[in-house]
Amino acid sequence: AQTVTQSQPEMSVQEAETVTLSCTYDTSENNYYLFWYKQPPSRQMILVIRQEAYKQQNATENRFSVNFQKAAKSFSLKISDSQLGDTAMYFCAFMKLSYEGDKLIFGTGTRLQVFP
Amino acid sequence: EPEVTQTPSHQVTQMGQEVILRCVPISNHLYFYWYRQILGQKVEFLVSFYNNEISEKSEIFDDQFSVERPDGSNFTLKIRSTKLEDSAMYFCASRGRRTYFGPGTRLTVT
Repeated sequence: AQTVTQSQPEMSVQEAETVTLSCTYDTSENNYYLFWYKQPPSRQMILVIRQEAYKQQNATENRFSVNFQKAAKSFSLKISDSQLGDTAMYFCAFMKLSYEGDKLIFGTGTRLQVFP
Repeated sequence: EPEVTQTPSHQVTQMGQEVILRCVPISNHLYFYWYRQILGQKVEFLVSFYNNEISEKSEIFDDQFSVERPDGSNFTLKIRSTKLEDSAMYFCASRGRRTYFGPGTRLTVT
């Protein structure tokens, strides 16, 4: 069974600084997706970034980038130039590729607080 | 951008009552899901639905739960006899090229 571990329950960063959130996962699958979701106080689940395991290049979306280390099963999220609006819960998630459509397995989350 | 909608946004019910949570997935998606998040905890998978049948369900999804896609557009989650521990945020999701989550229904069981 797949598991996702986020070892940092809480992180804080000053506005305009860079912060990195950690995620590790365990799987025997070779083809899968990894995601970071943001959950602000509204509790909406917002996709931040996605990485396909077969791609060696790390995904980037504006100020958000990942460091994907497949052999180490590590998938960290770097937020550059942090903004107050980045304050939220961040969940790392895993999904294996399946024709029938498969579920997302989430980590326990990291609460990020951005200070002015 | 396409969106998944859910109604109601907040449902309060008494223990033992039946509730139906409703979702309208994105129209050309084929895979549908329900997830649950107890306050302060992680998001947990409940059930996936594909080709008009359940493709996978978790241990949480016991006989008290059922899902239905009654009319080709709505996707519902029914809890037959609610318990206090069913109080949570329930998210519907649908998947095409990527997974889209609805805004959630907060269920409070008193």
